[in-house]
Amino acid sequence: DVKVTQSSRYLVKRTGEKVFLECVQDMDHENMFWYRQDPGLGLRLIYFSYDVKMKEKGDIPEGYSVSREKKERFSLILESASTNQTSMYLCATTTGYYEQYFGPGTRLTVT
Amino acid sequence: QKEVEQNSGPLSVPEGAIASLNCTYSDRGSQSFFWYRQYSGKSPELIMFIYSNGDKEDGRFTAQLNKASQYVSLLIRDSQPSDSATYLCAVKSSASKIIFGSGTRLSIRP
Repeated sequence: DVKVTQSSRYLVKRTGEKVFLECVQDMDHENMFWYRQDPGLGLRLIYFSYDVKMKEKGDIPEGYSVSREKKERFSLILESASTNQTSMYLCATTTGYYEQYFGPGTRLTVT
Repeated sequence: QKEVEQNSGPLSVPEGAIASLNCTYSDRGSQSFFWYRQYSGKSPELIMFIYSNGDKEDGRFTAQLNKASQYVSLLIRDSQPSDSATYLCAVKSSASKIIFGSGTRLSIRP
């Protein structure tokens, strides 16, 4: 079974803080994704990566950056957290057939 | 027009009946189609995928794909209360991008 883990289930941060969300997968998949999910807006792609040190912007990259130094680890960074970044953050990895496997999610609250 | 559209629901179905969930997509070149189930407060979980026109069955679940009409559906037979969740349709577009619908909330009433 594919296993995707995320560093925190719940996180509370203050406006302006730098926030790191980590994702680790154990299936040696090349493709990894970061989404945010908000009521009424569905899943929105923030960034994705097809290989180590490679990153591509998704639909809503503003205010975020990513890092992929090792194949199994993909980090999402909020450079200066703002209240409109309060959301559920989901990491996913995919097989060659584009089936996505999600981590448990991190519910981030920025106050 | 949204790229992947689903009725947001809620869709209420009596226990034991067939639940029918529908999804339409705009990119005629789309190649692969996925259904995910998401319980409240949890992450999406893949339940079915389909690539070819027609039906694909897996236990109580059947995915149906009609590329000419650009829709994909999910049937759940013998619906159980544990099937109550939000169902997300996802499509791999011709640009190899995965696009999710906003989901349909399904409620199975005892």
